[in-house]
Amino acid sequence: EVQLVQSGTEVKKPGESLRIFCKGSGYKFASYWVAWVRQMPGKGLEWMGIIYAGDSDTRYSPAFQGQVTMSIDKSVSTAYLQWNRLKASDTAIYYCARSSGFLDHWGQGSLVTVSS
Amino acid sequence: DIQMTQSPSSLSASVGDRVAITCRASQTINRSLNWYQQKPGKAPKLLITSASRLQSGVPPRFSGSGSGTDFTLTISSLQPEDFATYHCQQSYGTPYNFGQGTKVEIK
Repeated sequence: EVQLVQSGTEVKKPGESLRIFCKGSGYKFASYWVAWVRQMPGKGLEWMGIIYAGDSDTRYSPAFQGQVTMSIDKSVSTAYLQWNRLKASDTAIYYCARSSGFLDHWGQGSLVTVSS
Repeated sequence: DIQMTQSPSSLSASVGDRVAITCRASQTINRSLNWYQQKPGKAPKLLITSASRLQSGVPPRFSGSGSGTDFTLTISSLQPEDFATYHCQQSYGTPYNFGQGTKVEIK
């Protein structure tokens, strides 16, 4: 069974750094792209970018380029999403998903709250 | 970037109604259009790929159509478990943007 398990809820202050993770299992992790999707409170889905687990090739949405960093550790089948300096506007649920263009398996979401 | 526009933003319908949601791309995307269903507090679920290919386990009352720039998700007879938000997404070229979502509510 394909599963993507994400890290839990995070509460951070503006200016702090954060890395959340997404661990894949039940499939050949290195053969697929992993997508990250943001959902701000009460809003729609925003495609942030994708990273190929085999070689870390990354495609960012222009809206998120320079704001976050995606990375992979294929030895532990895990994708990461990192912020160096969080802002209040980063408050959202972040989903990872297995990507073949379409997103066929999703993590449960990681809630990130940024508040002073 | 390719922009995706869904309509309506929300709709109210009754059990048994036929419901149609449209999604328009800002440029041609051939048939590279996917549909998702999202229930409150849950991750989205993939329903349809390539405009009309139903995913395994998705009830046949769901169907998708369209090509080029205009697409439609149709629910032939709305069931209680179908009340949710539906999202379209293009996978023709990165960034693989989503539409803004359509919330289907109970009338």
